[in-house]
Amino acid sequence: NAGVTQTPKFRVLKTGQSMTLLCAQDMNHEYMYWYRQDPGMGLRLIHYSVGEGTTAKGEVPDGYNVSRLKKQNFLLGLESAAPSQTSVYFCASRGLSINEQFFGPGTRLTVL
Amino acid sequence: GEDVEQSLFLSVREGDSSVINCTYTDSSSTYLYWYKQEPGAGLQLLTYIFSNMDMKQDQRLTVLLNKKDKHLSLRIADTQTGDSAIYFCAETSDTGRRALTFGSGTRLQVQP
Repeated sequence: NAGVTQTPKFRVLKTGQSMTLLCAQDMNHEYMYWYRQDPGMGLRLIHYSVGEGTTAKGEVPDGYNVSRLKKQNFLLGLESAAPSQTSVYFCASRGLSINEQFFGPGTRLTVL
Repeated sequence: GEDVEQSLFLSVREGDSSVINCTYTDSSSTYLYWYKQEPGAGLQLLTYIFSNMDMKQDQRLTVLLNKKDKHLSLRIADTQTGDSAIYFCAETSDTGRRALTFGSGTRLQVQP
């Protein structure tokens, strides 16, 4: 099993550009999450999904959109990137009856 | 809203014990976690404790939970230089979105 994978690992964008971050899990987990981590802070929840076809906002959703068309994939989109979105993005998943969240390796995004 | 707080920095000598503290505010917290993050890396789950437990021991790690005071601690016995990292406390409830709420992390520095 690959666990939780994220692509890309690194990306540099210019202000106003768009991009999509892909998260994939092969554990048949119901729940998937996107977090962002900024220097000196813990991870903050951007959006989450409790199942295929459903998404919901977390604490810091502004400027992001998500989609979960397939159970194993959770996409995070930035329609018009801003420097404030420079961060490390982590995806995670968990099963309904499992107490642990499994994290991907992270995507380091810089917006110039 | 939910809040998790940690002290920012701890320095210990190799071989000593380290104690990292965390407080949380959410009374409905069901599980409390400790994650380790090394520079440039993702999050590694160290251990977690269910809210109806007072203590959990796993090799060099001891977790203590005072539910009345909403205080969680992680003790690392015989601290090694390889333990130098940032340690995050996190909590979640067993209902709803089951997302993690993180503290801002404690940087542990182990002096040789």
